[in-house]
Amino acid sequence: AQKITQTQPGMFVQEKEAVTLDCTYDTSDQSYGLFWYKQPSSGEMIFLIYQGSYDEQNATEGRYSLNFQKARKSANLVISASQLGDSAMYFCAMREDTGRRALTFGSGTRLQVQP
Amino acid sequence: DADVTQTPRNRITKTGKRIMLECSQTKGHDRMYWYRQDPGLGLRLIYYSFDVKDINKGEISDGYSVSRQAQAKFSLSLESAIPNQTALYFCATSETTGGYPYEQYFGPGTRLTVT
Repeated sequence: AQKITQTQPGMFVQEKEAVTLDCTYDTSDQSYGLFWYKQPSSGEMIFLIYQGSYDEQNATEGRYSLNFQKARKSANLVISASQLGDSAMYFCAMREDTGRRALTFGSGTRLQVQP
Repeated sequence: DADVTQTPRNRITKTGKRIMLECSQTKGHDRMYWYRQDPGLGLRLIYYSFDVKDINKGEISDGYSVSRQAQAKFSLSLESAIPNQTALYFCATSETTGGYPYEQYFGPGTRLTVT
């Protein structure tokens, strides 16, 4: 069974600073994907970034980067130059590459960006 | 227009009532999923479907049923609603081939309250 752990229920960051949101995972699968989603107060789930288990380079998407350390089973999200609009819940999720390909989510981190 | 739509967006119902949540997609994806989100938790898988004739239970299917009326439509039913089914419900779709990393596309969510 897959498991995602996000140990930071809440985080504060000053506007324009960088912040790292932690995510560790557990799986017996060899091939899997790791995702980060943003959920603003309006409730929708917004896809941010993806990392495949065989990808050697860390994924980047604009101000988002994923610090993937396979041996440590961690997939931390780094947001550079935080903006007020980044205030939201952030979820780490894992998906197996075979079978049902459903997502297993962590419990989330609430990020608040302060001016 | 949104690729994945959910109706209703908000619903208040009473204990014991039957309620159906509907999901439609225009992305042409084969795979569809229903997730549930409780406050302070990540999303959990209720049911998933690979095509019209292939429907499978997720981790928390008790008290729910689904119907895949067509490739584009996947409905979730609560036969006899109870208060602990109060949650935010998400539908998601995913393609089967070609679209690696098989990202899941989420609908806007249905906020259901059972009184």
